[in-house]
Amino acid sequence: EAGVAQSPRYKIIEKRQSVAFWCNPISGHATLYWYQQILGQGPKLLIQFQNNGVVDDSQLPKDRFSAERLKGVDSTLKIQPAKLEDSAVYLCASSLTGHGTDTQYFGPGTRLTVL
Amino acid sequence: GESVGLHLPTLSVQEGDNSIINCAYSNSASDYFIWYKQESGKGPQFIIDIRSNMDKRQGQRVTVLLNKTVKHLSLQIAATQPGDSAVYFCAENLTGRRALTFGSGTRLQVQP
Repeated sequence: EAGVAQSPRYKIIEKRQSVAFWCNPISGHATLYWYQQILGQGPKLLIQFQNNGVVDDSQLPKDRFSAERLKGVDSTLKIQPAKLEDSAVYLCASSLTGHGTDTQYFGPGTRLTVL
Repeated sequence: GESVGLHLPTLSVQEGDNSIINCAYSNSASDYFIWYKQESGKGPQFIIDIRSNMDKRQGQRVTVLLNKTVKHLSLQIAATQPGDSAVYFCAENLTGRRALTFGSGTRLQVQP
């Protein structure tokens, strides 16, 4: 079974530029998550989708971050404009149903550096 | 343990020894706990989980202990191997939410 795919793996941009990340979850998984992981810290949830609907975006900085999952499969996360403090690894995860005890499977992440 | 910015607490053990990694959680409403392993350049990988109605669960070479009285979780790794070197995170699920809340992580270094 293929895992969660993410691209690009690395991205370097200057502050105030825009950037987008892509995620392809495990086939058949209804729930998709985007996490932000700052160096030395645990992942922090940004947004959770159930199929193509948003379940939780309470920690998403909506003035600059946006995410979509239009067809309930792939998802993109965008930052516009980027700030220095956005430098982090952005992890995508998926789970089969999204129930609390469902295992979340993580992709390799995209490492973003904002200069 | 608690981490501050870049300074993850580190546990250094000899190959073949047993390792114990600890985690404190703050929310007594949490009812599901998971340990993840994260190797450099990779996403977190599920190791083992435990529900709040249990106090111990065993897997292959790993055991998770849950003490709800003091809100403490531990991961025991038997016969630690070099491939166990990674950062280990505990995560909890809060009742009413479906997303995980991660702790700050502990780096395990296995000396050959």
